[in-house]
Amino acid sequence: DAGVIQSPRHEVTEMGQEVTLRCKPISGHDYLFWYRQTMMRGLELLIYFNNNVPIDDSGMPEDRFSAKMPNASFSTLKIQPSEPRDSAVYFCASSEGTSGGSFQETQYFGPGTRLLVL
Amino acid sequence: AQSVTQLDSHVSVSEGTPVLLRCNYSSSYSPSLFWYVQHPNKGLQLLLKYTSAATLVKGINGFEAEFKKSETSFHLTKPSAHMSDAAEYFCVVSSYNFNKFYFGSGTKLNVKP
Repeated sequence: DAGVIQSPRHEVTEMGQEVTLRCKPISGHDYLFWYRQTMMRGLELLIYFNNNVPIDDSGMPEDRFSAKMPNASFSTLKIQPSEPRDSAVYFCASSEGTSGGSFQETQYFGPGTRLLVL
Repeated sequence: AQSVTQLDSHVSVSEGTPVLLRCNYSSSYSPSLFWYVQHPNKGLQLLLKYTSAATLVKGINGFEAEFKKSETSFHLTKPSAHMSDAAEYFCVVSSYNFNKFYFGSGTKLNVKP
């Protein structure tokens, strides 16, 4: 398997523009997670999906952020409008689900998208 | 409430010497505990995990960690550091109902030749 795939790897945009980050999880994984990493705040869980359904979006910073998972092999994280404080590395991760709960399972991370908002 | 504390933000060791990265957690119930490693400009990769089986957990690349309930600790160790171990390491605890991860703030390991 190719692992978790994210695109683009780098994105530079101007304040106010719409940004869309994409993720393809590992085939067969039931859970998908979006994280943001910054120097100031470290690694933050933004939202996660189980079987394409958003389960917990309490980490999404504000209404400018939205995430969708239209099918088991694709998810997007959208920022509209973008602001300089959104500059960060955004990671997507996926994991299998078991009866013990997803968070006992290993999460496989993608390489990340480095976003810079000018 | 669940939380995790990594006691050192930076650790520097010489190649060939032991590595100790410290992690303490708080949890009302028996947690699941993980160590992830992040090499520069890469995503996180699982090193090892504890999920209520053996308290001494062996991971990849010679790392291991011991779950000590009495001390609420899950320290990461390696007998002999290698240059390729230079990275950032994250201790992670899952909540009792397994619906959330709590990440530590990370420890950056520097390995000197």
